[in-house]
Amino acid sequence: DIQMTQSPSSLSASVGDRVTVTCRAGQNIATYLNWYQQKPGKAPKLLIYAASTLQSGVPSRFSGSTSGTDFTLTISGLQPEDVASYYCQQSYRVPYTFGQGTKLEIK
Amino acid sequence: EAQLVQSGGDLVRPGGSLMLSCRASGFNFKDAWMTWMRQASGKGLEWVGRIKSEVDGGTTDYAAPVKGRVSISRDDSQNTLYLHMWNLQVDDTGVYYCTVKAHWGQGTLVTVSS
Repeated sequence: DIQMTQSPSSLSASVGDRVTVTCRAGQNIATYLNWYQQKPGKAPKLLIYAASTLQSGVPSRFSGSTSGTDFTLTISGLQPEDVASYYCQQSYRVPYTFGQGTKLEIK
Repeated sequence: EAQLVQSGGDLVRPGGSLMLSCRASGFNFKDAWMTWMRQASGKGLEWVGRIKSEVDGGTTDYAAPVKGRVSISRDDSQNTLYLHMWNLQVDDTGVYYCTVKAHWGQGTLVTVSS
């Protein structure tokens, strides 16, 4: 299975901050990388697919980038409604494994 | 708009069986590759398995922890996806989601406990 190592596991930032979450794949996955946001008690929501393509309806402050097997989710200008857990997932080869998640809180 | 409505979650004893359903609407179900995910309470997301469309072979793939204990099937005439689980273990407890691309069902709780 392809291991996805996500960091940090938790993060506290202030409104307006730029926030980054990183995910490292255990092998080449090209750009087969998704980012999800999950709020408590809710189903996950797809934010970004193909490493950097914003899902329709997702605010433009969310962006994704890649460098080799390293993937980054960036929130440019943190908003109170961004409090959630964030997960990366590779969709290169089954089983489509997830990172461990990052819990984002507001300072 | 795509919608996935799930049903079937329940409390079952270890070793028991259960079938979850996911009724789809708002998209071309028969051409969709459908996936089941799960999440234990307070834990991360886990990919359970998927089924391809019949036109793409209708084959299934499963995660190692559930392989041999679950079966994913579909009824394209009813736009419904199924997850049949047996020999359930305590570690199978969690919320199960059906998904297709960006769309997720509301989740259904499976509790395995004696």
